[in-house]
Amino acid sequence: SQKIEQNSEALNIQEGKTATLTCNYTNYSPAYLQWYRQDPGRGPVFLLLIRENEKEKRKERLKVTFDTTLKQSLFHITASQPADSATYLCALVGSGNTPLVFGKGTRLSVIA
Amino acid sequence: NAGVTQTPKFQVLKTGQSMTLQCAQDMNHNSMYWYRQDPGMGLRLIYYSASEGTTDKGEVPNGYNVSRLNKREFSLRLESAAPSQTSVYFCASSEAAGINEKLFFGSGTQLSVL
Repeated sequence: SQKIEQNSEALNIQEGKTATLTCNYTNYSPAYLQWYRQDPGRGPVFLLLIRENEKEKRKERLKVTFDTTLKQSLFHITASQPADSATYLCALVGSGNTPLVFGKGTRLSVIA
Repeated sequence: NAGVTQTPKFQVLKTGQSMTLQCAQDMNHNSMYWYRQDPGMGLRLIYYSASEGTTDKGEVPNGYNVSRLNKREFSLRLESAAPSQTSVYFCASSEAAGINEKLFFGSGTQLSVL
């Protein structure tokens, strides 16, 4: 069956360090993968999209990698700040070009 | 810019009651979606509308109906609410379904069914 797994439910890191979140998938052949941020009581907000032919994408302090051989995406936040504390969701297109399917998310806490 | 607007923000129902969740977007998007979010389950797609006049089932459609009233509005109806439908419901929109779809979400409706 198709699965999207974000490796940990919660991740705590110290301010200034790099946070690395993992998204693994099985039985998908996604054309692209997306990352969203969700704050408590709010809807998810789009952050980055990476296509299958792109190995890496950057936006300010964010970096996403996409390895279709390993079936994995890594999401990095460098020089993390307490304001980066949120839940981060990965999402990809399911089979047959159906709408986005989301992972369960990783709750990141950046401690000052 | 309002983006995606959902009403109501909170609702409490008794088992068997019906209600309609409203969603409107002002971005001229073609595609609209309804997701539910439960602890430990993540976001799951209920129904979507790839374009005005079409609707399709998602992963968890049972117990729900939808109406794409026009390009702006997409409503979700619970005909006979059950406790299992207690959840946070999110409406989202995108320019088009498929490749490069970036979703814009509303702020959610927290629904409790007693």
